[in-house]
Amino acid sequence: EIVLTQSPGTLSLSPGERATLSCRASQSVSSSYLAWYQQKPGQAPRLLIYGASSRATGIPDRFSGSGSGTDFTLTISRLEPEDFAVYYCQQYGSSPPRNTFGQGTKLEIK
Amino acid sequence: EVQLVESGGGLVQPGRSLRLSCAASGFTFDDYAMHWVRQAPGKGLEWVSGISWNSGSIGYADSVKGRFTISRDNAKNSLYLQMNSLRAEDTALYYCAKDLSGYPTTLFDYWGQGTLVTVSS
Repeated sequence: EIVLTQSPGTLSLSPGERATLSCRASQSVSSSYLAWYQQKPGQAPRLLIYGASSRATGIPDRFSGSGSGTDFTLTISRLEPEDFAVYYCQQYGSSPPRNTFGQGTKLEIK
Repeated sequence: EVQLVESGGGLVQPGRSLRLSCAASGFTFDDYAMHWVRQAPGKGLEWVSGISWNSGSIGYADSVKGRFTISRDNAKNSLYLQMNSLRAEDTALYYCAKDLSGYPTTLFDYWGQGTLVTVSS
């Protein structure tokens, strides 16, 4: 089973700054089946990125994903106040299905 | 507009059973796989179970295998989770989530708001 490790655990930045979140897999993620979700307090998660770099419907272009193999990155180019939240990476596409979420990175206002 | 509305959560004693429901609307329900994902208080996300569009492919997390049963009724646009032999560690907010595909890839493009299950004596 693939284990996803996200870093840092908490990232403190100011609005307007650039955020870089990391997700490392314990083994190669096939076909870049790597997704990112955003979760705000009291809300359900929202899909941001799938296929490592494809933005989901309605996601602003300040969010971008990159990486392959075992190392993946979510970048938020210029932080808006509404971007402060917890971000999870997830490996998907296994057969049979398996749960593989990272532990999350909390992006907080500095 | 896609809507997923969970119900059936509540306080239950250890060892007892509970059945969760998810009412779906705004999309062609029988085209997509569906899932349950849970989140313990203050913790991360854990996939629980998923079911393909035709119920032909079903999967469970090891933590619930043999105790939970997922099912769907495409005529009623509804997803269910029968939870038996509940344990304290099953306490969580349970989300219903739609898959991007008809088969359970575990890529979730829409989520409900969740229903809280508390297992305690």
